[in-house]
Amino acid sequence: GAVVSQHPSRVICKSGTSVKIECRSLDFQATTMFWYRQFPKKSLMLMATSNEGSKATYEQGVEKDKFLINHASLTLSTLTVTSAHPEDSSFYICSASTSGRIGQFFGPGTRLTVL
Amino acid sequence: QKEVEQNSGPLSVPEGAIASLNCTYSDRGSQSFFWYRQYSGKSPELIMSIYSNGDKEDGRFTAQLNKASQYVSLLIRDSQPSDSATYLCAVSEDNAGNMLTFGGGTRLMVKP
Repeated sequence: GAVVSQHPSRVICKSGTSVKIECRSLDFQATTMFWYRQFPKKSLMLMATSNEGSKATYEQGVEKDKFLINHASLTLSTLTVTSAHPEDSSFYICSASTSGRIGQFFGPGTRLTVL
Repeated sequence: QKEVEQNSGPLSVPEGAIASLNCTYSDRGSQSFFWYRQYSGKSPELIMSIYSNGDKEDGRFTAQLNKASQYVSLLIRDSQPSDSATYLCAVSEDNAGNMLTFGGGTRLMVKP
C-alpha cells in the first residue's frame, strides 16, 4: 500500500507556457502532500507543503505565484508551473503522508524540460 | 538553518562487502531519521526509519543513531550490484517524518 502516482512523467514545453503536474495517492487518503524539486546530482529541495482544502505553505525563496499548488481532495494535488523558463527545468517529485503511517511516500517524479 | 551532511562519494565496495554510509545533522531537536534509496532518474524509496539511539536492523540493512553526536549511519551487509544507487539521509522535526530535510546523498557503487 501507499502508492503515489504522478502525471505526466515527462514533459517538454516552450518558454512562457504553463505546465500542470498531477500527484495522486492511489490507495490511501493523503492528509498532507509535499512538492520537491531536484536538480541533477543535487538533493531534494522542498518547495511547498499542502493540506487538503487549505492554501499551500511555501518554502523561503519559492514564488507562490509562479508555482501554483492546488490540493482539492485527499487524493489529488496539482502543481502548475506558470510562464515556465529554461531555469525551471528540473525533476519535480511529490510525496504524500497519511495519519497512522510514518514517513512520506514519493511519487515517481516528473521531468520538466523548458526549451 | 537545518543542515544534513553526507559525503557525496562515490563509495565503491566489492560485491559481498559491507557498505557504510554516514550522515550528520545540525538540528538537535530532530525527532526521526530516514534513509532513502534513489536510483538514477527515479524518485526516492524509503529503506529505513529510526527514532531512538542504537541500532535497528531490517534484513541486510542496519541503521544506527547517535543523537549525542548527531550522527546517523546505514550499513548494508552482503552488498549487491543492485544496491548501487544514491542513498539519501533525511531528518525530520516531528515523529511522523512530515518535516524532512534531506542530505545531498551518497552515491554507492557495488562492483561485481
